[in-house]
Amino acid sequence: RKEVEQDPGPFNVPEGATVAFNCTYSNSASQSFFWYRQDCRKEPKLLMSVYSSGNEDGRFTAQLNRASQYISLLIRDSKLSDSATYLCVVILYNFNKFYFGSGTKLNVKP
Amino acid sequence: DAGVIQSPRHEVTEMGQEVTLRCKPISGHNSLFWYRQTMMRGLELLIYFNNNVPIDDSGMPEDRFSAKMPNASFSTLKIQPSEPRDSAVYFCASSQPGQGQDTQYFGPGTRLTVL
Repeated sequence: RKEVEQDPGPFNVPEGATVAFNCTYSNSASQSFFWYRQDCRKEPKLLMSVYSSGNEDGRFTAQLNRASQYISLLIRDSKLSDSATYLCVVILYNFNKFYFGSGTKLNVKP
Repeated sequence: DAGVIQSPRHEVTEMGQEVTLRCKPISGHNSLFWYRQTMMRGLELLIYFNNNVPIDDSGMPEDRFSAKMPNASFSTLKIQPSEPRDSAVYFCASSQPGQGQDTQYFGPGTRLTVL
């Protein structure tokens, strides 16, 4: 079983739509969680951290559910520029482990 | 400020040749990571240095791969001999832990093709 699993998509949504991705992780000792964004043929870049209390940055909201061992990313009012692959990251500092999900591809269409 | 710098950006080589990838982390960052990304396997951590010391190399696929960090501003990933299945994008990332958010900053990657 993979440490981190994501639905690869693609999610094809119209502009203005709300879309949500989930990412499940297998190790309950996981300590830190992040969402990264990767554009085609580019490097991953941090989108936002994920806290137990949830956090919001503009149109983006990230949530952590420790009981069910998943994190989520919600994008409201999708823009064409949101089209990218979204990677979740799970870190276990005590074990020096850094796991990236394989990514969920989002296509926002006019 | 300069980000993480990687060279070369593209490398095409023949099977059996030695390949050396280079990385300069962001100044002041004390953690450095080497990743490999392929369509089939996604982004995989190969090795992780902290203060120039390898902390975890369990992701290094086999003895053909080696990584060094002789000082805080330079690291290399070497493949010898290279094989076609090593074709991938290799990313280097650096971070400065302990500031509330361990953000990893990625370099632009080296796209390696082994023929």
